Amino acid sequence: DTAVSQTPKYLVTQMGNDKSIKCEQNLGHDTMYWYKQDSKKFLKIMFSYNNKELIINETVPNRFSPKSPDKAHLNLHINSLELGDSAVYFCASSQSGGNTEAFFGQGTRLTVV
Amino acid sequence: LAKTTQPISMDSYEGQEVNITCSHNNIATNDYITWYQQFPSQGPRFIIQGYKTKVTNEVASLFIPADRKSSTLSLPRVSLSDTAVYYCLVGNTGFQKLVFGTGTRLLVSP
Repeated sequence: DTAVSQTPKYLVTQMGNDKSIKCEQNLGHDTMYWYKQDSKKFLKIMFSYNNKELIINETVPNRFSPKSPDKAHLNLHINSLELGDSAVYFCASSQSGGNTEAFFGQGTRLTVV
Repeated sequence: LAKTTQPISMDSYEGQEVNITCSHNNIATNDYITWYQQFPSQGPRFIIQGYKTKVTNEVASLFIPADRKSSTLSLPRVSLSDTAVYYCLVGNTGFQKLVFGTGTRLLVSP
């Protein structure tokens, strides 16, 4: 069983389109995250949700909107896609409290053309 | 948040022991040190975590000196499949506060 699964794995779309990336975790964790890894391989946190509530919202354009329908899901919707949005997006989950490890999904490679 | 400094890259050969050192001079009393590994086209994966002295698991060892201002990840007898980026993270309030640095790109050659 895949602990953290993202769909789709690859996403190619045109500028200006709206797209969504879905993430699900079956680990029973209460915290989920979205990370962006750019072409230089820097991993930057975008959002973090704990029990469906937003707890971290880094400097991310308003075009990015996370949605957490329940603790096991955290989806990322992106409006009006731009060339600079091209990157690999990783979903992750962990259990809050103490220093616990996080589990990452396989990533979604988004290419905006 | 404690900032970490790691070498950008390291090269090794199969069968050798690899030691990757991370500097975290302003580590706080309650901070833990955690290492993640990322293979190409995959998400990061937890390797090991420690607070002081030495921690060992089936994958690696983590050495932390008494002043805790640095730590060393030790990979015994590396293989080609250990080629990856290794990240050192420092924090004390759970994963959500940890910041990924640039990491160390390890290349293992035959």
